[in-house]
Amino acid sequence: LAKTTQPISMDSYEGQEVNITCSHNNIATNDYITWYQQFPSQGPRFIIQGYKTKVTNEVASLFIPADRKSSTLSLPRVSLSDTAVYYCLVGLYNTDKLIFGTGTRLQVFP
Amino acid sequence: IAGITQAPTSQILAAGRRMTLRCTQDMRHNAMYWYRQDLGLGLRLIHYSNTAGTTGKGEVPDGYSVSRANTDDFPLTLASAVPSQTSVYFCASSESQGKGTEAFFGQGTRLTVV
Repeated sequence: LAKTTQPISMDSYEGQEVNITCSHNNIATNDYITWYQQFPSQGPRFIIQGYKTKVTNEVASLFIPADRKSSTLSLPRVSLSDTAVYYCLVGLYNTDKLIFGTGTRLQVFP
Repeated sequence: IAGITQAPTSQILAAGRRMTLRCTQDMRHNAMYWYRQDLGLGLRLIHYSNTAGTTGKGEVPDGYSVSRANTDDFPLTLASAVPSQTSVYFCASSESQGKGTEAFFGQGTRLTVV
């Protein structure tokens, strides 16, 4: 499974766009990139998943360059409720191991 | 739909005692997982199961055992608890076949070993 590297923490203000980048230099051909969000005292929650280029849903966008060695989770116009830890995972789309890294702790200020 | 149910929600356990954390899912997912999360840290995979009847070791399996007698249940057992096993334990499940690795998590079990 490809190892991922994310910033430990990020700060933002309400209404701003937040971009969290994840490095995965040894991503394999069949690996997908998945992001999860975790609030305090709760289990992680799936946000978005992609293989290449750009994926968008009602919550976020995921940008993946052609070499797929990194990916960027984009949260448009964050609010206080987006304060959470965000995890980037890389693995086979049907993998039976989900390995979480340390994540990025996002703090949104008013 | 309940999704993933864990029990108990919290427990204080004396060191040396045996404890089983329960996890049940009603989504008929093939894959199930157990994680531990220590204060301020990320999740570490303890054990996983591809499908009923099979299990595998994760990143930190020592001191824990699991079984998967059927699709719905995936109990985690601490045979002889030690204080270093104080943590929050999360169970998760995913379809794991032909779709993305979207996993669904329970609310966690907060275990304190004293």
